[in-house]
Amino acid sequence: DAKTTQPNSMESNEEEPVHLPCNHSTISGTDYIHWYRQLPSQGPEYVIHGLTSNVNNRMASLAIAEDRKSSTLILHRATLRDAAVYYCILRTYYGQNFVFGPGTRLSVLP
Amino acid sequence: DAGITQSPRYKITETGRQVTLMCHQTWSHSYMFWYRQDLGHGLRLIYYSAAADITDKGEVPDGYVVSRSKTENFPLTLESATRSQTSVYFCASSQTSGTADTQYFGPGTRLTVL
Repeated sequence: DAKTTQPNSMESNEEEPVHLPCNHSTISGTDYIHWYRQLPSQGPEYVIHGLTSNVNNRMASLAIAEDRKSSTLILHRATLRDAAVYYCILRTYYGQNFVFGPGTRLSVLP
Repeated sequence: DAGITQSPRYKITETGRQVTLMCHQTWSHSYMFWYRQDLGHGLRLIYYSAAADITDKGEVPDGYVVSRSKTENFPLTLESATRSQTSVYFCASSQTSGTADTQYFGPGTRLTVL
């Protein structure tokens, strides 16, 4: 299975942008890049996903490197509610599940 | 809209007892999944179902049984609970198994086996 590498933890100040990196050097051409987050004591929550082009939605932006070996989740203005574990996941063609790694624990400071 | 719900939210049981965790979704999604989450591990897939009466094993199926007689329900049964099954269990659903599709997760059931 294609794997992802993320920093264990990151900190941000409230109302500042946050860039969460993810490396996926073994990504294949048909793998989608998904981002989920898990707030304390809750189930994982969909954030955004993309294949090749950068993507925007109401929650975040996803910037995908031209060679697709890395991506960055961008939260434009972090709030305290954005404190969570963020998971970068590659969705492979043959996989039935999402393979969750340890993710990045984001702390947001007031 | 209820989405995906799990019950109970918390459960304490004893070793050897049978326990059933319930999962219900209101979207008529074809696929449903059961994961467990332990400290130090990410979510690991236990079982999944592609449709009513179609189920298959995931990464850690031993000690668990599933059924899916109706599209909206996907119960998970621990036939004889063990302490190693103490965990947080998440149910999820998705419309398809496509690589672009999204999985929607329930709030989880925290199970403690004494």
